[in-house]
Amino acid sequence: AQSVSQHNHHVILSEAASLELGCNYSYGGTVNLFWYVQYPGQHLQLLLKYFSGDPLVKGIKGFEAEFIKSKFSFNLRKPSVQWSDTAEYFCAVNAGYSSASKIIFGSGTRLSIRP
Amino acid sequence: GAGVSQSPSNKVTEKGKDVELRCDPISGHTALYWYRQSLGQGLEFLIYFQGNSAPDKSGLPSDRFSAERTGGSVSTLTIQRTQQEDSAVYLCASSSDRGQGGYTFGSGTRLTVV
Repeated sequence: AQSVSQHNHHVILSEAASLELGCNYSYGGTVNLFWYVQYPGQHLQLLLKYFSGDPLVKGIKGFEAEFIKSKFSFNLRKPSVQWSDTAEYFCAVNAGYSSASKIIFGSGTRLSIRP
Repeated sequence: GAGVSQSPSNKVTEKGKDVELRCDPISGHTALYWYRQSLGQGLEFLIYFQGNSAPDKSGLPSDRFSAERTGGSVSTLTIQRTQQEDSAVYLCASSSDRGQGGYTFGSGTRLTVV
């Protein structure tokens, strides 16, 4: 069965600091990978996704993620965070082209940015 | 519609009562998903619809939970004889394919069982 691990439950950074949120998944086959963001009081939004091709994926608001197949990882990065990045971030995976097409989510990482 | 619409946005119910939660997906989206988000927890998969059929309902926690989808559009999640542990935010999402494109989520229904 697929699973997703997010190592950090709560990350606190100052503005302009660099960000990296860890995500590891367990599944041996082809996967599609996602990062979702939930800003306070808002619904979940897709930040970026990886299907195939270039393992470095660029998303909205300056975020990027790198798929490293050998490490089963899909870490989220941003060179310089802003106060408005305060949110909960969820890594997610689904098995590519499987009849079981549900997306499995990690437990989330809460990001707090100090102004 | 322009987005995924869920109703009600908030529901407070007494323990033992039945509740119905509604999801109206984006027009034309064939796949529809229900998730549950408890306080401090991640998203827990409940059930997935492709059209009107549910190929995967493995996440429904007990036989008190059921869901249906009619006309390939609106879905209703029903919880019978609600318990306090059912309190959570119930999220609906839809996609135009089998999830590979990522989902569009609704704002959720916050269910509180007192």
